[in-house]
Amino acid sequence: DTGVSQDPRHKITKRGQNVTFRCDPISEHNRLYWYRQTLGQGPEFLTYFQNEAQLEKSRLLSDRFSAERPKGSFSTLEIQRTEQGDSAMYLCASSLAGYSNQPQHFGDGTRLSIL
Amino acid sequence: AQSVTQLGSHVSVSEGALVLLRCNYSSSVPPYLFWYVQYPNQGLQLLLKYTTGATLVKGINGFEAEFKKSETSFHLTKPSAHMSDAAEYFCAVSRRGTSYGKLTFGQGTILTVHP
Repeated sequence: DTGVSQDPRHKITKRGQNVTFRCDPISEHNRLYWYRQTLGQGPEFLTYFQNEAQLEKSRLLSDRFSAERPKGSFSTLEIQRTEQGDSAMYLCASSLAGYSNQPQHFGDGTRLSIL
Repeated sequence: AQSVTQLGSHVSVSEGALVLLRCNYSSSVPPYLFWYVQYPNQGLQLLLKYTTGATLVKGINGFEAEFKKSETSFHLTKPSAHMSDAAEYFCAVSRRGTSYGKLTFGQGTILTVHP
């Protein structure tokens, strides 16, 4: 169990640029979640995959955001035309299938700063 | 909709003193309940969870929490604080009886431990 891995750990970009983050879940976990955490707040749910299927998206996920999980393994989160308000920590988590009592294991996050 | 309220955004204790972090939830059906800890620039680590059965649950690092349905609470305690407990703590819930596992978090409580 190597844990959930996220890359990069930090990303600094100019407003209007596109960015992409990657998450590698724990290998046997078929559920993968993305959350966003702003300073002083708890994480907020963005989207959820079971295997390769994206099953739920939050209203927080505007049309500038897109997430994929090809082949049900790693996932990417892309933000197009970044805005100042996108500055946050983006957290990825994974869990086993089953009911919603399965604990989620979090990566260390990608911190995005928009200049 | 579910919501989580953590009373006190900052709690300060002396080393060796009791730690009490408060969490109340709002949900039409008692949810699954979780406590996570977050150290600076890191992801979240699961401390403990309540799903069913005994309402007093023990977690890692000497923490425990008690589910009180009548009070809609899930407060986190530790009998004796250690300097290494200084971190931010998040209470979270997920909807019971579904296959969706998305978590709804409270705003977090920063715990400071004084020598």
